[in-house]
Amino acid sequence: EAGVAQSPRYKIIEKRQSVAFWCNPISGHATLYWYQQILGQGPKLLIQFQNNGVVDDSQLPKDRFSAERLKGVDSTLKIQPAKLEDSAVYLCASRPTGVLNTEAFFGQGTRLTVV
Amino acid sequence: AQKVTQAQTEISVVEKEDVTLDCVYETRDTTYYLFWYKQPPSGELVFLIRRNSFDEQNEISGRYSWNFQKSTSSFNFTITASQVVDSAVYFCALRISDTDKLIFGTGTRLQVFP
Repeated sequence: EAGVAQSPRYKIIEKRQSVAFWCNPISGHATLYWYQQILGQGPKLLIQFQNNGVVDDSQLPKDRFSAERLKGVDSTLKIQPAKLEDSAVYLCASRPTGVLNTEAFFGQGTRLTVV
Repeated sequence: AQKVTQAQTEISVVEKEDVTLDCVYETRDTTYYLFWYKQPPSGELVFLIRRNSFDEQNEISGRYSWNFQKSTSSFNFTITASQVVDSAVYFCALRISDTDKLIFGTGTRLQVFP
């Protein structure tokens, strides 16, 4: 079974530029999460989708971050414009909705450096 | 509100020592799931164990064991006879059943020295 795919693995941009990250979850997984992990901290949930609907985006800085999940499969997370404090690893995870006793599966993450 | 607290920021031990990583959670929900993940230096999050709120039976898997106590809202993780390969950051996480929200603690960095 293929895992959660994320791209790119690394990205370096200047502040005020825009950037987009892509995530392909495990086939059949309706729930998709985006997390931000700043160096030395735990993953912080940015947004949670179920199929193509947003379940929770309470911690997404909506003035600069946006995310979408067209057709309930792949998802993209965008930052525009980026700030220095956005430097972090962005993790995508998925799990099958409706199956209670399962864990979330994580991708390898995208490491963003804003200079 | 839901919250996961890992009070130990960093622990250092010498190989073959036993070590316990603490996790305390907060939730008002009656149905929830608890997890431990390992994050080695390479960065990926590796799933270790899950527990549901109705199953307080402790579990042992090789050198790893977990102690779930609802009375103290704790889900502690013990590594017996630690090895250098156990060096990583360990995260405890809580998932609420009705919303599927997955919340992480701040992690405990474990360093095992030879």
